[in-house]
Amino acid sequence: DVKVTQSSRYLVKRTGEKVFLECVQDMDHENMFWYRQDPGLGLRLIYFSYDVKMKEKGDIPEGYSVSREKKERFSLILESASTNQTSMYLCASSPGTGALYRDTQYFGPGTRLTVL
Amino acid sequence: AQKITQTQPGMFVQEKEAVTLDCTYDTSDPSYGLFWYKQPSSGEMIFLIYQGSYDQQNATEGRYSLNFQKARKSANLVISASQLGDSAMYFCAMRAGNSASKIIFGSGTRLSIRP
Repeated sequence: DVKVTQSSRYLVKRTGEKVFLECVQDMDHENMFWYRQDPGLGLRLIYFSYDVKMKEKGDIPEGYSVSREKKERFSLILESASTNQTSMYLCASSPGTGALYRDTQYFGPGTRLTVL
Repeated sequence: AQKITQTQPGMFVQEKEAVTLDCTYDTSDPSYGLFWYKQPSSGEMIFLIYQGSYDQQNATEGRYSLNFQKARKSANLVISASQLGDSAMYFCAMRAGNSASKIIFGSGTRLSIRP
């Protein structure tokens, strides 16, 4: 079974703090993704990575950065947290082999981040 | 433009009944994949089933089946013999062409199973 884990289920931070959200997958997947999910807005892609040290911006990268130093780990960084970054953050990974349109994404349990 | 539409914001179904969750999609790309995910109140997004645009048969995974009607651009999820644990949000999603990132999600349907 694919296993995607996230470092925290719930996190409370203060405005201006630097926040790290960690994601680890154990299936040797090539691709990893960070989304945020907000009521009424659905899932929105923040960043994704298709290889170690490679990253590409998604739809809403502003205020975020990412790091992928090892294949299994993909970190989302909020350089200076703001209240509008309060959200549910979901990490996903996918094999990245074969036709991309068949590439299934598997999600972690999510991190509910509250920024006060 | 690529789009996924789920027109049922919420549904109530009696336990043990079958339920169909609607999904229509729009893409001009001939190569695409359709996915269904389940999101319980715990928040995790659980992959249920996949259907490829070139697949000749409808996908099935246990109690889940996908009613794929290509000409109508619909990919409805059918859950047979519903259980209380099926209560959750269900999302239809699509990835088209060769974009590594672009999986598009619908707005979701909240399914509630009545005992």
